[in-house]
Formats: sequence, C-alpha cells, structure tokens
Amino acid sequence: AIQLTQSPSSLSASVGDTVTITCRASQGISSALGWYQQKPEKPPKLLIYDASTLQSGVPSRFSGSGSATDFTLTISSLQPEDFATYYCQHFNSYLYTFGQGTKLEIK
Amino acid sequence: QLQLQESGPGLVKASETLSLTCTVFGGSISRSRYYWAWVRQPPGKGLEWIGSVHYSGSTYFNPSLKSRVTVSVDTSKNQFSLKVTSATAADTAVYYCAGDDGNGEHYFDCWGQGTLVTVSS
Repeated sequence: AIQLTQSPSSLSASVGDTVTITCRASQGISSALGWYQQKPEKPPKLLIYDASTLQSGVPSRFSGSGSATDFTLTISSLQPEDFATYYCQHFNSYLYTFGQGTKLEIK
Repeated sequence: QLQLQESGPGLVKASETLSLTCTVFGGSISRSRYYWAWVRQPPGKGLEWIGSVHYSGSTYFNPSLKSRVTVSVDTSKNQFSLKVTSATAADTAVYYCAGDDGNGEHYFDCWGQGTLVTVSS
C-alpha cells in the first residue's frame, strides 16, 4: 500500500507569514493527491484536490503543487483562521490513505 | 449541498458491536458516482479510513479492519451504516461519515460533524 509522509509534523508561524507543508508518497501517484484542513472538534474540510485544484470556496491564499512522489501545500499571508491541522490524502486500489498530519500553530 | 449526520450509541462495551448510521440530507444517496465512507480519528491522533459503500451495494474496506467491519446502505432511508464487531479500547474514536463524489480521482468533499464512540471495559 502507498504511504504518505508529511513534514513537518508541526510548525509555528505568525499571522502574515507564508508556510509550506510537504507530503511525500512512497511511490509515484501522478497528481492524485488531496489536502484537508481540520480545526479542533470539526470534521476535515477538502481544500485542494488533484494536487493543485482549489476546492470551491477555498481562499486563493491556499495553493498546492507537485506530482509523482513530492507535493506541497502553501499558505500565503496566514490568517488567524488558518491555524489548524492539515492532512494529505490519496486513493489507490480501493484504499484511501491519509498522511499523519501537520499541526500549524500560532507563534 | 449535501449534509451528513451520524447517529448511534456513544458508549459501547468491549467485545460488543459498534453500530453507527449516517443520514444524507440535501440529495439522494443513490447519486450514481458517489461512494459513502466511514473515517475515524482516535483522540489526539490522525485520520483512518474504515470502509466505503456505493448505493449499488458494492463495498471496500481498509485491510487492517476488514475482518471486523460491515458497511451497508439503505436507499429507502437515505442512510448508510457501519458495524464494527468485537470492539476494543483501540476502537475508541470520533467516527465521521463522508462522501466521495467519484468524479475522477477520489476525495471526500462532504463530511458529517462526527460522533465520539467510547469503548469501555
């Protein structure tokens, strides 16, 4: 099964900063990767799919890139509501896999 | 816009069966491409996909849970359900139901609010 490894596991940043989160797949997955945001006590929310396509209603400060094994989620000009945990996700051979998550905290 | 809502007991005794239902509002569960899923999250931990069902009845499961999991759909009630047998403390988690519209690659574009299930000894 394909494994997804996110880095870092956590990071601290300030409002207005730009941050990047990485997701590495254990084998090539083309561009079949999604990114989710999860706030405490809430369900995950799909932000980006197919590695770089913004889900409807998601602010443009969120962007995704990458293909094959290496992917990034970039958040520009961090807003207070962006401090949350972020997960990458892939589907292959009837199996959904999530990364272990990256917790973004306020510095 | 689809809305999903989980329901079921919040407390299950160890060795018994954990049962949850998800009701879909705002559209038919029989949407041809949609796959309906269960995802769980142990306290303080990450997300784990459990299994999925299509309205036609076809299912697929996380291999790590497959032997204990049943997922089914009731189109007449616009609901789908989860059963996990022989529950242990390791099954304590927030359980989410979610929908994958199956349009191209597979992602969960709608989620329930989640329900905490505690397995007690």
